[in-house]
Amino acid sequence: AQSVTQLGSHVSVSEGALVLLRCNYSSSVPPYLFWYVQYPNQGLQLLLKYTSAATLVKGINGFEAEFKKSETSFHLTKPSAHMSDAAEYFCAVSAEGAQKLVFGQGTRLTINP
Amino acid sequence: SAVISQKPSRDICQRGTSLTIQCQVDSQVTMMFWYRQQPGQSLTLIATANQGSEATYESGFVIDKFPISRPNLTFSTLTVSNMSPEDSSIYLCSVGSTGKNEQYFGPGTRLTVT
Repeated sequence: AQSVTQLGSHVSVSEGALVLLRCNYSSSVPPYLFWYVQYPNQGLQLLLKYTSAATLVKGINGFEAEFKKSETSFHLTKPSAHMSDAAEYFCAVSAEGAQKLVFGQGTRLTINP
Repeated sequence: SAVISQKPSRDICQRGTSLTIQCQVDSQVTMMFWYRQQPGQSLTLIATANQGSEATYESGFVIDKFPISRPNLTFSTLTVSNMSPEDSSIYLCSVGSTGKNEQYFGPGTRLTVT
């Protein structure tokens, strides 16, 4: 069985500040891990993925995430927040990359001017 | 990545009626999935739509309530039957790319049941 926990349903940062969104997973098999972003009234867009290659994964829009097996974590970071980053972010896990996804509860990111 | 479209984009329906949501992909894909996103919630998988066979439903979802068709490798439909206000959600289809080990999502169908 697989599960994902996102710590913090709402994160607020100032423009230009570091963004850190937390994700911990549970998986009985080596996981595939994903971060998706959902802008208001839109579908989900893939930000980045971990598929057992490099543990530090770079994605779109300046985001990156680090897979830490010992901590069962896959936290999402961005060095400098931009107003356009305001959205809902979902962490997800699957047993195989293209198979069904189990999502975390989501984290709403607000950027303060 | 695949380009996915859904119809309708939104609808307001009366309780007790049914709505069929269409999902069209611009390329042939083996795996298609249907998810539900209830207001303010995360996404939950309803079922995996298999071409040429019955859909595989997740716990808590049944075929009588959410019948699914998958007539070919680029198209699928999800029907929400005998709707109640609790069915008000965003319904999203997605497709899996085995080559890239990732999934792509459609824009979603926002359903409101009154």
